[in-house]
Amino acid sequence: GAVVSQHPSWVICKSGTSVKIECRSLDFQATTMFWYRQFPKQSLMLMATSNEGSKATYEQGVEKDKFLINHASLTLSTLTVTSAHPEDSSFYICSARDWELGGDNSPLHFGNGTRLTVT
Amino acid sequence: GNSVTQMEGPVTLSEEAFLTINCTYTATGYPSLFWYVQYPGEGLQLLLKATKADDKGSNKGFEATYRKETTSFHLEKGSVQVSDSAVYFCALVSGGYNKLIFGAGTRLAVHP
Repeated sequence: GAVVSQHPSWVICKSGTSVKIECRSLDFQATTMFWYRQFPKQSLMLMATSNEGSKATYEQGVEKDKFLINHASLTLSTLTVTSAHPEDSSFYICSARDWELGGDNSPLHFGNGTRLTVT
Repeated sequence: GNSVTQMEGPVTLSEEAFLTINCTYTATGYPSLFWYVQYPGEGLQLLLKATKADDKGSNKGFEATYRKETTSFHLEKGSVQVSDSAVYFCALVSGGYNKLIFGAGTRLAVHP
């Protein structure tokens, strides 16, 4: 079945540095990917919709200059947390849809997430 | 806007007990509804879905019925197992690109 690979699975960085998280669709093309953030014991909050070849669409309250999203190919989207601070520590999850299996109604496949800890 | 409300957890049950996790939604129109499950240390997996009113989604002994009149999609299982211990998320599809909006998640712990 469709697999979404997220890398790294965990990362620890120092405050003020930037961290890049990759999300790859391994056996399908994903024109659209979604980035979520999950706080401890809380739900997944949608951060942005990543579109191949165009700018990402950010949800209200998400800083686009803080969370840079690039979707340069049909199988790769990246999320870069710039100038990270301890409050950015969280679990980031990407998801992708195999559009050829049913367009916008096809099921979403999720990566296993990236645990970011900013010290 | 569109939103999903789930019962707060954690829910603690003994093996073979009956499970209900409540989920209600607010949405314009009639969105597709989903239950996702997140096992410890793993990513989210689709458990079941329903795309229109009165549809019943089912998988692995879990069931949920799309109730338009009560805007609900409660998850049920007749006899839970220890292996069902996980976090369960109710979700609906919303807006352009059919993005998923999640509820807060309900942690289920099943004891032998």
